[in-house]
Amino acid sequence: RKEVEQDPGPFNVPEGATVAFNCTYSNSASQSFFWYRQDCRKEPKLLMSVYSSGNEDGRFTAQLNRASQYISLLIRDSKLSDSATYLCVVNREGKSTFGDGTTLTVKP
Amino acid sequence: DAGVTQSPTHLIKTRGQQVTLRCSPKSGHDTVSWYQQALGQGPQFIFQYYEEEERQRGNFPDRFSGHQFPNYSSELNVNALLLGDSALYLCASSANKGLNNQPQHFGDGTRLSIL
Repeated sequence: RKEVEQDPGPFNVPEGATVAFNCTYSNSASQSFFWYRQDCRKEPKLLMSVYSSGNEDGRFTAQLNRASQYISLLIRDSKLSDSATYLCVVNREGKSTFGDGTTLTVKP
Repeated sequence: DAGVTQSPTHLIKTRGQQVTLRCSPKSGHDTVSWYQQALGQGPQFIFQYYEEEERQRGNFPDRFSGHQFPNYSSELNVNALLLGDSALYLCASSANKGLNNQPQHFGDGTRLSIL
């Protein structure tokens, strides 16, 4: 079993839709959590950190559930420009473990 | 304010050769991590450098080695290249200052092809 697991998708949604991604992690000692976005053949870019209290940045909401060891990302009112691969990242003692990503395609 | 810069952008090598990739961290960042990303997969952690020492290492063989310089820049060296080493190599920096769990900023990567 991988240390960080994501549904690879692809998720194909129309513009304006709400879409949610989940990510599970196996090590309960994990310390910090992030969502990154990666466009095709580009570097990953930090989307947002994830906290137990939940955090929101515009149309994006991230949530951490330590008891169940999963994190989520909710995208509201999807835009064409949201099409990308979304990577879940779990940090522990300075080591970052990435999921393999969930691919989102937003269609007109 | 320059972000993370990597060189070269692309590189082609043959099996058995050695390669050195370079990374300059974002201004104000003191910690550099290296990742290998194969097509269709997430980045795989190779190692992390802080204060010129390797602090963490992923599941990569000793053929993968690195170095961090006093100005925080870093090199990744890979010896005895194999076909399976073909991948995008990403450098990421963060302002850990010993905290270990700060978000990272990535460079554009070096695309390494082994023939």
